[in-house]
Amino acid sequence: AQKITQTQPGMFVQEKEAVTLDCTYDTSDQSYGLFWYKQPSSGEMIFLIYQGSYDEQNATEGRYSLNFQKARKSANLVISASQLGDSAMYFCAMRVTQGGSEKLVFGKGTKLTVNP
Amino acid sequence: NAGVTQTPKFQVLKTGQSMTLQCAQDMNHEYMSWYRQDPGMGLRLIHYSVGAGITDQGEVPNGYNVSRSTTEDFPLRLLSAAPSQTSVYFCASTRGQGGKGEQYFGPGTRLTVT
Repeated sequence: AQKITQTQPGMFVQEKEAVTLDCTYDTSDQSYGLFWYKQPSSGEMIFLIYQGSYDEQNATEGRYSLNFQKARKSANLVISASQLGDSAMYFCAMRVTQGGSEKLVFGKGTKLTVNP
Repeated sequence: NAGVTQTPKFQVLKTGQSMTLQCAQDMNHEYMSWYRQDPGMGLRLIHYSVGAGITDQGEVPNGYNVSRSTTEDFPLRLLSAAPSQTSVYFCASTRGQGGKGEQYFGPGTRLTVT
C-alpha cells in the first residue's frame, strides 16, 4: 500500500534556527516523486520542493532542502534559518502511478510554530 | 494565467441539498483532481481525471460525482449533502507524465453541511 507517515503532529523552533520535519513513505514502485507543501493559516497549498526517486542529489530550494534517504524510505524537509512566516502546516506527499494515472498521497501533516 | 480557480470559497448547505463545486484551470493540464481536507487527516483524494471524458474514483468517492467535458473544467457534485461532507475541498491540476510535475492547487472551498 502507498502510504506517507509524518510522526510529528507539532514542532517548535526558535527564529533563525534550523528545523527538520520528518517524513517516511511506503511504496513498492521504483519510480515515484516526493513533495513537500506548506499550508499557512490562510489555507492555500504552496509547493516547496520536489525529489524524484532517481535523483541522486538531495533537492534544495532556497532555505528548503530535502534529506532523501532512499534505503530508509525517508524524505525529511530541512528548513534553515527559520522565519516567523514559516509557521504553518507542512505536508509530505508522494506521487504514485496507478492505472495509468498519477495521484498524490498525503501525510497527515506537521504543524510548525516558529517562536521569536 | 489565473492558475486553478475554485468557486465558491464558502458554502453552507442543509442536509439533503445538492450543489456543484466549480474548478477551472488555464494551464492546459491533462490531470485534475479533487481532494478533501479534514482536521488531522491530511488531504484525501475524492475523484480524479486524466483527460477530458475520463474520470475515476479516488480514496473517498462516495457521495460525490464528477465529469470532465473539457480540459479546463472539472466540477464536483454533491448529490445529497450530509454533515460528514463538511470539509475543505481542494481542486488540483498537473501536466502529469512524471518529473517535477507538481500539482497546482486552487484556493479551496470551505463547505459546511448542517
